[in-house]
Order: sequence, then C-alpha cells, then structure tokens
Amino acid sequence: AQKVTQAQTEISVVEKEDVTLDCVYETRDTTYYLFWYKQPPSGELVFLIRRNSFDEQNEISGRYSWNFQKSTSSFNFTITASQVVDSAVYFCALKVYGANSKLTFGKGITLSVRP
Amino acid sequence: EPEVTQTPSHQVTQMGQEVILRCVPISNHLYFYWYRQILGQKVEFLVSFYNNEISEKSEIFDDQFSVERPDGSNFTLKIRSTKLEDSAMYFCASSEGLGENTEAFFGQGTRLTVV
Repeated sequence: AQKVTQAQTEISVVEKEDVTLDCVYETRDTTYYLFWYKQPPSGELVFLIRRNSFDEQNEISGRYSWNFQKSTSSFNFTITASQVVDSAVYFCALKVYGANSKLTFGKGITLSVRP
Repeated sequence: EPEVTQTPSHQVTQMGQEVILRCVPISNHLYFYWYRQILGQKVEFLVSFYNNEISEKSEIFDDQFSVERPDGSNFTLKIRSTKLEDSAMYFCASSEGLGENTEAFFGQGTRLTVV
C-alpha cells in the first residue's frame, strides 16, 4: 500500500518569504511517480509537477523548486519570494507504475501568504 | 488548452435521491477517474476506468455507485440513493497513459450537497 504524509497542516508567511512544503512517501514499488497539486480557494486541483522515481534531478520552474530525495523518501516543494496568489492548499501525491493506477494523496498543507 | 469539464458545478439533492455527475475528459485521454474530497479533508480515490470497464475501485465505491461512458465523450458517476455522508466535492480526472504522460488532469469539481 502507498502512503503520503504531509506533516505540516497550516503554514502562514508574509509575502516575499520563502516557504518549503514537506512531503514524505511510502511505497514498496520501485517505479513510481510523485506529484504536487495546488488547490486554490476556488476549489479546482491544478497539476504542478510530476517526478519519476528514477529521476532524482531537482527541478526549478520560476519561483517554484522541488527537491526529490529517494534516500529519505521525500519530495519537498519550495516557493521562493512567496506571493498572495500562492495562498492555497497544496497536495503531494504518489502513483505507482501502471497506466491507470490511482493517485494517493497526502492530507494537504494550507498555505496562507499575507501581504 | 484542453481541459476536463464537469457539470453541474454544484448540486443539492435530498437524501435517498439518485444523482448523476457528468464529466467530459480531455479528448485523447484513455484513463478516467473519480475522486472525492469531503470538506477540509484529503482527496480520496473512488474508481478508475479504462477500455469501458472499471480497472480499480476503492472501498468507498460500494453498490450505490456506478460509472459509465455512455457515448465516447462523457464519463458519468451515478449515486443511486444518496446519503448525508455523500456530501463532498467530486472530481473527475483523466490521463493520457503511461510514462511521461501519466499525470492526471482534474476537472473543477462538482460540489454535492445532500440534505
């Protein structure tokens, strides 16, 4: 069985601060995918990134960066110079190899960015 | 940009009534899913669907639930006799397939309120 743990439940920062959202996962499968989704106050789920288990290269996209470490089963997400529009619930998710395998989500982290 | 569309955005129904939630997945996607999110909680897998049949279902997806792809474009979730605890946001998702195209794209959700 798969498990995703997002130990932080709520984080509040002031605009322009950097913030890191933690994600720890468990799986016995050797091939899997990790994801981050954003859920803004409007409620939809927005795909942010996918990482393959065989690719530990970190990724940066604008103000967003992701740190994948297999040794610690972690896939952390950092927002640099946070903005009010970053306020949302962020979900980490895991999917094992298989075209139609399901996503297992963590409980989500509510990020509030204050002006 | 292609997107998953769901209708209605909000549905209120009386306990015991049948509801049908509708989804139009992205046109070249082959794998379809329903997830639900009870208010303030994590996103939970309900069912996956491929090649006109259910691939996997969770323990939540009991005999009261069914899915159908009636016409090659729509993907529906039916709840036969709604209960108060079925109140949740229901998300439809679709994905293209394996490997680099395994991420699921979600619709905006249908908020179901059972009274």
